[in-house]
Amino acid sequence: DTEVTQTPKHLVMGMTNKKSLKCEQHMGHRAMYWYKQKAKKPPELMFVYSYEKLSINESVPSRFSPECPNSSLLNLHLHALQPEDSALYLCASSPHIVRGANTGELFFGEGSRLTVL
Amino acid sequence: GESVGLHLPTLSVQEGDNSIINCAYSNSASDYFIWYKQESGKGPQFIIDIRSNMDKRQGQRVTVLLNKTVKHLSLQIAATQPGDSAVYFCAENRKNSGGSNYKLTFGKGTLLTVNP
Repeated sequence: DTEVTQTPKHLVMGMTNKKSLKCEQHMGHRAMYWYKQKAKKPPELMFVYSYEKLSINESVPSRFSPECPNSSLLNLHLHALQPEDSALYLCASSPHIVRGANTGELFFGEGSRLTVL
Repeated sequence: GESVGLHLPTLSVQEGDNSIINCAYSNSASDYFIWYKQESGKGPQFIIDIRSNMDKRQGQRVTVLLNKTVKHLSLQIAATQPGDSAVYFCAENRKNSGGSNYKLTFGKGTLLTVNP
């Protein structure tokens, strides 16, 4: 069983709605990630947080707003999304940020499947 | 059977056979690689990793081979079982476009189907 918990598992929202995706881990990891995955495609990195600070933003549109309130929690706030934003949103964590050869695996949650109508 | 990964994204094998899944990576500076397994409706699950100072690493029923000369990675699964049916992604650790941080970038994936 994954130790990264994502809620909700499924979310349907309209283009004018505001919603949030939540992610929680209690492994003491200090790096947390948001990935987006379209059907039959690989996960694509969106954001990386290291020690609760935003470290990487892969030029994600501002309608996606990440937040890391503490070392165990990661949120993704959604506002004015488009139908093409429908995807599986994956959260992951690692002990420290992936950096060179001093790295380790990312632990993924089961994802939140988002449908934008 | 053998998958070329990027060009043949599906691999079908008989239960008990060995499977080989291939992956080509693009950045010669990448120094860490991971194979992930993703079952339908689930998040990616770590299988095995390898650092660039190695060319082979073995786990339980799985072996990863790294050929840095041709930038090629492969995952070998011995005695494939129906539970191995999933999409398999290779991922490489490389610097992001700004050059200041590393990020884990996934390859296109290969769908492995195990026939009983």
